[in-house]
Amino acid sequence: QQQVKQSPQSLIVQKGGISIINCAYENTAFDYFPWYQQFPGKGPALLIAIRPDVSEKKEGRFTISFNKSAKQFSLHIMDSQPGDSATYFCAATNSGGYQKVTFGTGTKLQVIP
Amino acid sequence: DTAVSQTPKYLVTQMGNDKSIKCEQNLGHDTMYWYKQDSKKFLKIMFSYNNKELIINETVPNRFSPKSPDKAHLNLHINSLELGDSAVYFCASSANLRLSGRSYEQYFGPGTRLTVT
Repeated sequence: QQQVKQSPQSLIVQKGGISIINCAYENTAFDYFPWYQQFPGKGPALLIAIRPDVSEKKEGRFTISFNKSAKQFSLHIMDSQPGDSATYFCAATNSGGYQKVTFGTGTKLQVIP
Repeated sequence: DTAVSQTPKYLVTQMGNDKSIKCEQNLGHDTMYWYKQDSKKFLKIMFSYNNKELIINETVPNRFSPKSPDKAHLNLHINSLELGDSAVYFCASSANLRLSGRSYEQYFGPGTRLTVT
């Protein structure tokens, strides 16, 4: 199974709050899990990524939490800002292949002042 | 400098027509991709080329034909356009696995919004 399930579909958070987006995968061959951020009218851009040998990765206000046994990972955005309003995609890929990336269905985040 | 560029940005055409979208990357990457993003924002890979060789070919109608004249360019030609082809098409590129420290990052172009009427 190549599917990556993502929730919620949309999220509204107040400025300064924590945004949490969850993803689950089925293929245990996946070994790289990036998150992409897409602003309206733009292409997706890599935000942060994690490999399954660590349980957490933090870059600034963005943190990925990874649970290998549950095959789940999540993105936490601390101190959410209006500028974070975008669509977020989780993804997974198998480094043994030709970098075919399977994307989640996306979460539209709106941070309100 | 634009890393991954696509032309045109917007394309409006009638059913049955044939159209092409062009993509160029100046990152020195070996692998290029075409993705389709539908109205619900779902991103689906269509094709991937590595050094001009087709390596990923998802279940895409054969009306869609990619062409890679060199590793910096990947074009998409669509024959007999249908209403369901309306979407945003993204080109992306990534570096060679063995040479790049951030080998899995894909760089996306700005997208081409195709509207078939």
